[in-house]
Amino acid sequence: GQQLNQSPQSMFIQEGEDVSMNCTSSSIFNTWLWYKQDPGEGPVLLIALYKAGELTSNGRLTAQFGITRKDSFLNISASIPSDVGIYFCAGLGYGGSQGNLIFGKGTKLSVKP
Amino acid sequence: GAGVSQSPSNKVTEKGKDVELRCDPISGHTALYWYRQSLGQGLEFLIYFQGNSAPDKSGLPSDRFSAERTGGSVSTLTIQRTQQEDSAVYLCASSLGGTPAYEQYFGPGTRLTVT
Repeated sequence: GQQLNQSPQSMFIQEGEDVSMNCTSSSIFNTWLWYKQDPGEGPVLLIALYKAGELTSNGRLTAQFGITRKDSFLNISASIPSDVGIYFCAGLGYGGSQGNLIFGKGTKLSVKP
Repeated sequence: GAGVSQSPSNKVTEKGKDVELRCDPISGHTALYWYRQSLGQGLEFLIYFQGNSAPDKSGLPSDRFSAERTGGSVSTLTIQRTQQEDSAVYLCASSLGGTPAYEQYFGPGTRLTVT
């Protein structure tokens, strides 16, 4: 079945640093979504991408839908402490149920000790 | 509130008992989804409702799992004869549905612990 490989699995950030994470797949996806989940809460939608090559920003967040439709990345610029959490990519593939998003396993952002 | 709400927020049950989890979607959203999130894992799709169409049940892990959506709004996920491996956070999401927008908005989840 379709799978998303999200990396890195975890990373530590220092305030002010830029952060980058990505998702790749062997399958084509026609929609990419990026979510953030805080402890004890449901994921919150950050950015939605619908066209190959699309680059979309939401404040300090920038995400791109890869040209091949098989990957996407999320960048966070000038990170702040509240950026800590788990970030998930999700894709909607071709041919599947219209509601069936495939999720990556998440990238956990923590603060450097 | 305007968001997706779920109840209960936490549920502890004994192995073998049945449980019901409730989801109230965002008003006006025609699509409703259930996911399961095990500790440290991504979200696993369970079932999807769109309007009056037959639900997509392809993600339900066994016949102990079922869900219904009454009146195109509130949904209940039922797990019969619960097992310890059913312990997880069950998340509900809703969206406007249709193409091309599949932006799903999630509730806070129900944490289910089977002892």
